[in-house]
Amino acid sequence: ETGVTQTPRHLVMGMTNKKSLKCEQHLGHNAMYWYKQSAKKPLELMFVYNFKEQTENNSVPSRFSPECPNSSHLFLHLHTLQPEDSALYLCASSHTGQGGDQELFFGSGTQLSVL
Amino acid sequence: GQQLNQSPQSMFIQEGEDVSMNCTSSSIFNTWLWYKQDPGEGPVLLIALYKAGELTSNGRLTAQFGITRKDSFLNISASIPSDVGIYFCAGQLYSNYQLIWGAGTKLIIKP
Repeated sequence: ETGVTQTPRHLVMGMTNKKSLKCEQHLGHNAMYWYKQSAKKPLELMFVYNFKEQTENNSVPSRFSPECPNSSHLFLHLHTLQPEDSALYLCASSHTGQGGDQELFFGSGTQLSVL
Repeated sequence: GQQLNQSPQSMFIQEGEDVSMNCTSSSIFNTWLWYKQDPGEGPVLLIALYKAGELTSNGRLTAQFGITRKDSFLNISASIPSDVGIYFCAGQLYSNYQLIWGAGTKLIIKP
């Protein structure tokens, strides 16, 4: 496989469920990102990991918990979500997360619906 | 927070027409990126711009980094059905390297 792969593509969960989103990149990049995409809004950066270290947490509620075990894998653990958390969650990677390198490569996203 | 104003929000055009969209801000940027998102997919990078005044083409697409470093535009010539999608601009702020996104331009081609 090449590029950035996200699973699952679709997820429906109740507010009391716990689920995880998975992202894997095969590009040899060192930085990985989680973005939230809602209709007609700019992409919202949630978390950034650079060389497995979290370098940014953009005031995201604690019901979203990221995990980056290595530079190729990124998870987003979800628990006690709210209906307003329903959105497309995009994973991205870049060569590094520092300075000028902001050319992001995105996965296809997980469309999340919270009931 | 910082904002990019992307316009138009949507465009309804005939196949074969040229398309123009832009992003403006009151902030100064180091880099401008233009992405396209197809339905059910993540955004894909089309063009990256790194210098004020830079004009770059990718096939029928042309983008420019505004000379004031506060804006950028994307043109698509002779549109075809596969151009349908949402186009996003993203700019990297000069002040702190933060990447700021526009809200997107949805391109629809009338049959």
